[in-house]
Amino acid sequence: AQSVTQLGSHVSVSEGALVLLRCNYSSSVPPYLFWYVQYPNQGLQLLLKYTSAATLVKGINGFEAEFKKSETSFHLTKPSAHMSDAAEYFCAVSVGGGATNKLIFGTGTLLAVQP
Amino acid sequence: EAGVTQFPSHSVIEKGQTVTLRCDPISGHDNLYWYRRVMGKEIKFLLHFVKESKQDESGMPNNRFLAERTGGTYSTLKVQPAELEDSGVYFCASSQESRGYYGYTFGSGTRLTVV
Repeated sequence: AQSVTQLGSHVSVSEGALVLLRCNYSSSVPPYLFWYVQYPNQGLQLLLKYTSAATLVKGINGFEAEFKKSETSFHLTKPSAHMSDAAEYFCAVSVGGGATNKLIFGTGTLLAVQP
Repeated sequence: EAGVTQFPSHSVIEKGQTVTLRCDPISGHDNLYWYRRVMGKEIKFLLHFVKESKQDESGMPNNRFLAERTGGTYSTLKVQPAELEDSGVYFCASSQESRGYYGYTFGSGTRLTVV
């Protein structure tokens, strides 16, 4: 069965430091992968997605993720953290086939940015 | 374009009462999804509509939950009678195609508290 594992439910970085949020997936077919962000008291916002094109995907707010098939990973990075990046981040994989698809989410990673 | 709209944003009801959540998807999006996040847990799929038809309702917890999508436009999710374990955030999402090539757009969610 397809699944997503996010390592680290809480990650804390200093402002200006590298952000690395880890995501590993399992999928029996080439996956579509997503990173969503939820800011406090807001809904889920799409950061970026991988849909079998370029393996390095650039998203909004300076985030990017690299699809590595050999490692079954899709880690999210940002070179320099900003205070406004504090939020909860979710990795997800689209599973199913034909007309039936749904997202399987990881448990989320809460990112704290220290001044 | 207008995003996915959900209301109410918050609902507090007593155990045994009925609550109806509504979702207005992005105009033209045939695919509409409901997800739920119970506190401390991952976001889980509830069901998927294609136009007015239920494509996949494998995630619906039990028969106290009833989802409808009138004329392939907005959708409602009714919980009757509500139980304490139904508390959580209910998200709606819509997409142009089901696998997510163009991404899934989420609403801000409805926070349901059953007391």
